[in-house]
Amino acid sequence: GQQVMQIPQYQHVQEGEDFTTYCNSSTTLSNIQWYKQRPGGHPVFLIQLVKSGEVKKQKRLTFQFGEAKKNSSLHITATQTTDVGTYFCAGQISNFGNEKLTFGTGTRLTIIP
Amino acid sequence: GAGVSQSPSNKVTEKGKDVELRCDPISGHTALYWYRQSLGQGLEFLIYFQGNSAPDKSGLPSDRFSAERTGGSVSTLTIQRTQQEDSAVYLCASSLAQLGLAGGFNEQFFGPGTRLTVL
Repeated sequence: GQQVMQIPQYQHVQEGEDFTTYCNSSTTLSNIQWYKQRPGGHPVFLIQLVKSGEVKKQKRLTFQFGEAKKNSSLHITATQTTDVGTYFCAGQISNFGNEKLTFGTGTRLTIIP
Repeated sequence: GAGVSQSPSNKVTEKGKDVELRCDPISGHTALYWYRQSLGQGLEFLIYFQGNSAPDKSGLPSDRFSAERTGGSVSTLTIQRTQQEDSAVYLCASSLAQLGLAGGFNEQFFGPGTRLTVL
């Protein structure tokens, strides 16, 4: 079955440093989503990427979908304490809306003030 | 409603008892997912309902776990003869699941979860 892995599993950074998490799928994806889960909270949707090589930005967050549509990355510039949480990617193989979304293993980010 | 709701928010039970967890998805959302999340861990997929299709039960860890979705809306996850390893947060999510839409946009909206503790 489809597997979605993320690395690293954990990341500790000093406030102000950059952070990147990588998402790798065993199969080619039609689209990929990113979610953030704050400590004690539930996952919240951040963004969806659809096109090969697509890059989207949200303030200090940059999301990229690989050319082969099998990997993706989330980069945070100049981290802040509000960035603490676990970041999950989630992918679908087909374009059909009724296909199950498969979540990655997550990367937990902690910030050292 | 404003979002996905789950009840109860917390459940403490004794080993061997049965529990029922409820999820009220966003009105009109055809897709509903159940996940389990142990402390500090990722999301473990349990079951997926999509419209009138047969549910995808491939994530259920044992036959003690079952779920149903009545009338395409409310869902109940039942755990029979609970064990201590069942202790976790159980999350429900729903999505619009727009069929055939190019790009397949299916943002999942998560409920607050039910924290289950089995003593």
